[in-house]
Amino acid sequence: SAVISQKPSRDICQRGTSLTIQCQVDSQVTMMFWYRQQPGQSLTLIATANQGSEATYESGFVIDKFPISRPNLTFSTLTVSNMSPEDSSIYLCSVSLDRTSSGNTIYFGEGSWLTVV
Amino acid sequence: GIQVEQSPPDLILQEGANSTLRCNFSDSVNNLQWFHQNPWGQLINLFYIPSGTKQNGRLSATTVATERYSLLYISSSQTTDSGVYFCAVKGYAGGTSYGKLTFGQGTILTVHP
Repeated sequence: SAVISQKPSRDICQRGTSLTIQCQVDSQVTMMFWYRQQPGQSLTLIATANQGSEATYESGFVIDKFPISRPNLTFSTLTVSNMSPEDSSIYLCSVSLDRTSSGNTIYFGEGSWLTVV
Repeated sequence: GIQVEQSPPDLILQEGANSTLRCNFSDSVNNLQWFHQNPWGQLINLFYIPSGTKQNGRLSATTVATERYSLLYISSSQTTDSGVYFCAVKGYAGGTSYGKLTFGQGTILTVHP
C-alpha cells in the first residue's frame, strides 16, 4: 500500500481567494489523481497528474481554475482558484501503484475539507 | 462512458446482521475496486476485484464480469462498518483499458448498536 498525506486537512476560505492543497506520497509513483467530492455526492475526477508533463483535465475542469503541479514522483499540489461557495467540497489526492501483485489498485489521502464562505 | 449503479442507496442494520451491497456496470471492465469512506472522509481500499472472489475477515467480494456485477458481503456487522461504500470501475475493450476510474453513487450503511 501507500501512505498519502494531504495538507490542509480542513480549512474555511473566503470567497474569491485561492488555496493550495499539498499531497505527499511515501513512495515514488507514476500517476497521481485529484478528485472532488461535493457534499453528499460521489467522487469526480478533476485531473491526472504525471511527473514531467502537463496535467490532463476531465471535462468540466480547467487549468485556470484548478492548476496542478507535479514537480517530482512523490509530490503534487492542487490549487482551487477564485473560490466560490460551490467549491466547498472534499478534495482527495490518490495514487495508482503499478505493481503486478495488486494491479492498478488506487489509494487515497485523508482528504482536504474546504468550506468557502 | 461506463455507467455504474449501486444498490441499495441506503441500508440500516443492527449490529451483528449480515448485508449484501451490489454494483452493476454497463460495459466490460478490467479494474473494479470497492472502497469504504468513514464518517471522517477517509477512503479505504477494500478490494481490487475485477473478477472472482476474495475475502478479508468479515468482508468478502465477488465479481461476475460476464454478467457485469459485483457484490460486497459484510457479515456480523459492527458500528465501525458505518459509512459509505463505493464501487469504482474502469472500462476494458479490444484488449485495452479505456476511460477513467468511474465511481458509483455509493451505499450509505448505518449500523446501530
